[in-house]
Amino acid sequence: GIQVEQSPPDLILQEGANSTLRCNFSDSVNNLQWFHQNPWGQLINLFYIPSGTKQNGRLSATTVATERYSLLYISSSQTTDSGVYFCAVGNSGYALNFGKGTSLLVTP
Amino acid sequence: NAGVTQTPKFRVLKTGQSMTLLCAQDMNHEYMYWYRQDPGMGLRLIHYSVGEGTTAKGEVPDGYNVSRLKKQNFLLGLESAAPSQTSVYFCASSLGHNTEAFFGQGTRLTVV
Repeated sequence: GIQVEQSPPDLILQEGANSTLRCNFSDSVNNLQWFHQNPWGQLINLFYIPSGTKQNGRLSATTVATERYSLLYISSSQTTDSGVYFCAVGNSGYALNFGKGTSLLVTP
Repeated sequence: NAGVTQTPKFRVLKTGQSMTLLCAQDMNHEYMYWYRQDPGMGLRLIHYSVGEGTTAKGEVPDGYNVSRLKKQNFLLGLESAAPSQTSVYFCASSLGHNTEAFFGQGTRLTVV
């Protein structure tokens, strides 16, 4: 299956700071999603972005499919942004292949 | 619009017991999936279905069975639970292949 690598593995920010999370993948993809797993374990859909750029409030994402990476930007971080951010990709198979995630802690 | 709903949210089983996890979606999605998540890991696909009456094996199918008798429901069964099946189980659905997937809230299963 497709290999998905996320960086950094862990990140600690002060409230108000900005951050960039990266997702590298090993093959061409037809599906790429970013999720936020909150401290209660729920997986929240952030972006469906197999290519291009999208923005939703303080979050934005860019996928450069030809270079096999995607970036998630978080601006003006808040404590509620804490949790684990997962990148997941798919191509010809049926599974979403997940990275191991970036664990984010935003401190007051 | 509830999205994807999983039942139960928590369960403790003894080794050798059986149980069924229920997933229901109200988005009229064709595709449904069962994943498991283990500590420090992303999610891995157990089984999936591309339509009512169909099922197929994913990456880690051993020890699990599934059924999709109705389009809106996808059941995951454990016939003889083992401690290695202690995990958090997520159900997901999508409209079609490589379309956006939506996940349920998860079921935390402990096998002792």
